[in-house]
This record gives sequence, C-alpha cells and structure tokens, in this order.
Amino acid sequence: DVKVTQSSRYLVKRTGEKVFLECVQDMDHENMFWYRQDPGLGLRLIYFSYDVKMKEKGDIPEGYSVSREKKERFSLILESASTNQTSMYLCASSPPASGRPYNEQFFGPGTRLTVL
Amino acid sequence: AQSVTQLGSHVSVSEGALVLLRCNYSSSVPPYLFWYVQYPNQGLQLLLKYTSAATLVKGINGFEAEFKKSETSFHLTKPSAHMSDAAEYFCAVRDSGYSTLTFGKGTMLLVSP
Repeated sequence: DVKVTQSSRYLVKRTGEKVFLECVQDMDHENMFWYRQDPGLGLRLIYFSYDVKMKEKGDIPEGYSVSREKKERFSLILESASTNQTSMYLCASSPPASGRPYNEQFFGPGTRLTVL
Repeated sequence: AQSVTQLGSHVSVSEGALVLLRCNYSSSVPPYLFWYVQYPNQGLQLLLKYTSAATLVKGINGFEAEFKKSETSFHLTKPSAHMSDAAEYFCAVRDSGYSTLTFGKGTMLLVSP
C-alpha cells in the first residue's frame, strides 16, 4: 500500500515563527502536493513538485515556500507564520499523469496547524 | 480552468435511505473524475474514479457514480446509508495532460439513526 506520512498531526506555533511541515512518501512517486483545507473552501493547492528540486506554484502560494531535495520528501515552509495560516495541511503524492491520467493522488493524514 | 461544483455543503439522510451527492464539472471536454472521502481527523481516501471504461463506476463501501456527459455530472450514490458513511465527500477533476486536481468544496454527509 502507498503510504504518505506527515511529521505532525497537530502543531501549535506563534505568529512570526518559521514553520516546517514535512511529508514523506514510500512509493517512488514523481509528483507531490501540498494543500490547505478550510471549512467551506475545500482543498486549495499551495505548491506541487513533479521532480526533485522542481516546484510549481498552485492557487495560493503566498506566504509559503517548499523544498524537495529528495524524491520521497516534500517540505512546506511558512517563513513567518500568521494567524490566517491556521488550517489543516494535507500532503499528497501521485505518479505522473502523462500517459496515465487516471492515476489518483494518495493523501497523508494531515497536520492541523494553529498559529497563535 | 476547470471548476467543480458540489451542490449542498451538508446532506442529511436517515440510516437505510438513499445517498445522493451531486458533482458537476465545467469543462466541455470530459475530464478525469474522482470521488474522495474524508473521515474526521483523517486524510482523503479514494472512493472511486472514472476511467472511461464504463459510465457507471463502482467504488468501495457500496458507493457508485454515474458519468453523464450531456449533464457534465458525476453524482455519487449509495442505495442504503450506514452510520459509518458519515464523513465529508469531495469530487475532483483532472484535465488531460495535467498532474493537478481541482477539488469541489466538499459535501458533509450526516446520517441519523
């Protein structure tokens, strides 16, 4: 089974802190994704990566950055956390869609981040 | 860009009743379609996906969805709801050639005894 793990289930940080959210997948997937989930807004894509050291902005990249130094690991960084970044953060991975468009994304359990 | 509309942020049914969760997409070219379920405090789990092999797709836990091109819809159904079906359900679409998914805002299914 594909497994996507996230470093923390719950995290509490203070405004202005630098926050790292880590995601690891064990299925050698090329693609990895970071979403935030807020009530009534569904999932919104922050960043995704289709290869090591490659990244693309999603729909809401402002205030976030990412790092992918190894294929299995994708990190989300909040350079200076703010209260409006309090949310559930979900990581996902998938094989490339090219030639296999039916491939689904596999999700981690999520990190609920609270910024005080 | 694709958009996905899930009609109804909350749907309430009684145990044993039919479940119908609606999903409409915007593209004139049929995209690739997925339904995910999220139980409380968990990540998303794939329920089913449309692969163009058949318009009626069967998924896990007794759920199925029917692709209707003329209505640009991919509604999710289950003949008889169980208490354990209480969760949030997300419809998602992928355009051809893209790796990203566009998600609907989700529908919370409430099941009462």
